[in-house]
Amino acid sequence: LAKTTQPISMDSYEGQEVNITCSHNNIATNDYITWYQQFPSQGPRFIIQGYKTKVTNEVASLFIPADRKSSTLSLPRVSLSDTAVYYCLVGGPITGGFKTIFGAGTRLFVKA
Amino acid sequence: EAGVVQSPRYKIIEKKQPVAFWCNPISGHNTLYWYLQNLGQGPELLIRYENEEAVDDSQLPKDRFSAERLKGVDSTLKIQPAELGDSAVYLCASSLDTEIDTQYFGPGTRLTVL
Repeated sequence: LAKTTQPISMDSYEGQEVNITCSHNNIATNDYITWYQQFPSQGPRFIIQGYKTKVTNEVASLFIPADRKSSTLSLPRVSLSDTAVYYCLVGGPITGGFKTIFGAGTRLFVKA
Repeated sequence: EAGVVQSPRYKIIEKKQPVAFWCNPISGHNTLYWYLQNLGQGPELLIRYENEEAVDDSQLPKDRFSAERLKGVDSTLKIQPAELGDSAVYLCASSLDTEIDTQYFGPGTRLTVL
């Protein structure tokens, strides 16, 4: 499985755009990139998933360059409620299912 | 639609005692996961089920941990006997499509072993 590296923590202010970059140099051809969000005392929540180029949904965008060795989660106009831990996962189909591993995550602090 | 349900939410036990956690996945989700999460770290997979079959239990400490998923729906994770180092949050997740890894997590059970 590809190892992921992401910043331990980041600070931002309300209304700013936040970009969290994840490195995954050993990503395999059939691996997907998935991001989860976790608030204290809750389980992680799926945010977005992509394979290549750009993916956008109602809460975030995911930018994946052509070499796929990194990815960037973009949160537009963050609010205080976006303070959470964000996990980047890389994994793909294996015999019997889908394999991914959580790293330590990035702790985002949004200030007023 | 109801999410993943876990119980209890909190459990405090003495070391060497047994403990069990219960999980009810989202209806129709064939894949069920148990994770352990230590403070300040990401979740670590303990076991993954496809229906009733445990297809990945390589990280489950089988000397003291056991799990079952009867009828391919609810699941129980048991620790016997518990050790101080087992204090953590135990998360259950389920997913519908194993080709695309969208896991839905429950709130977790916070275990404290004294």
